[in-house]
Amino acid sequence: EAGVAQSPRYKIIEKRQSVAFWCNPISGHATLYWYQQILGQGPKLLIQFQNNGVVDDSQLPKDRFSAERLKGVDSTLKIQPAKLEDSAVYLCASSLYVQGNTGELFFGEGSRLTVL
Amino acid sequence: KNQVEQSPQSLIILEGKNCTLQCNYTVSPFSNLRWYKQDTGRGPVSLTIMTFSENTKSNGRYTATLDADTKQSSLHITASQLSDSASYICVVSARSDYKLSFGAGTTVTVRA
Repeated sequence: EAGVAQSPRYKIIEKRQSVAFWCNPISGHATLYWYQQILGQGPKLLIQFQNNGVVDDSQLPKDRFSAERLKGVDSTLKIQPAKLEDSAVYLCASSLYVQGNTGELFFGEGSRLTVL
Repeated sequence: KNQVEQSPQSLIILEGKNCTLQCNYTVSPFSNLRWYKQDTGRGPVSLTIMTFSENTKSNGRYTATLDADTKQSSLHITASQLSDSASYICVVSARSDYKLSFGAGTTVTVRA
């Protein structure tokens, strides 16, 4: 079974530039998550999708971050304009929908962003 | 505020030795607790998931324990191997909204 695919694996940009990350979840997984992981910290949820609808985006900095999940499958996360503090690994995860609970999360390899 | 605290922040052990990582949480009401292993430069991989009624769960040389009364969990690594060098993250799910609270992780370094 193919895992969660993410690209690019690495990206270096200058501040104020834009960047986009792509995620393809495991086939059949209705729930998709984007996490930001700063070095030495645990992942922080940015946005959670259920199919193509947003379940939770309370911690997404909406002035610069945006995400979409068209057709309920692939998802893209965009940052525009980037700031130095956006340097982090962006993890995508997916899970099966579980009634009344959170399913087991399967993570991608992550996209490492460096903002100079 | 739901919080997950892990200790120690990092540890170094010799190959073949055992070690125990701690996780304390304030998440309430509790749904389940998960331990993930994250190799450097990779995404986290699930080791165990424990519900309220489970006290112990093993996955090979990894054994997780849960004390829901004291809101503590531990992850014991037996006969460590070089491949155990990684960050171990404790994650707790709340039964109220099923949101996941992540700890900062414990970095384990196994040396030959």
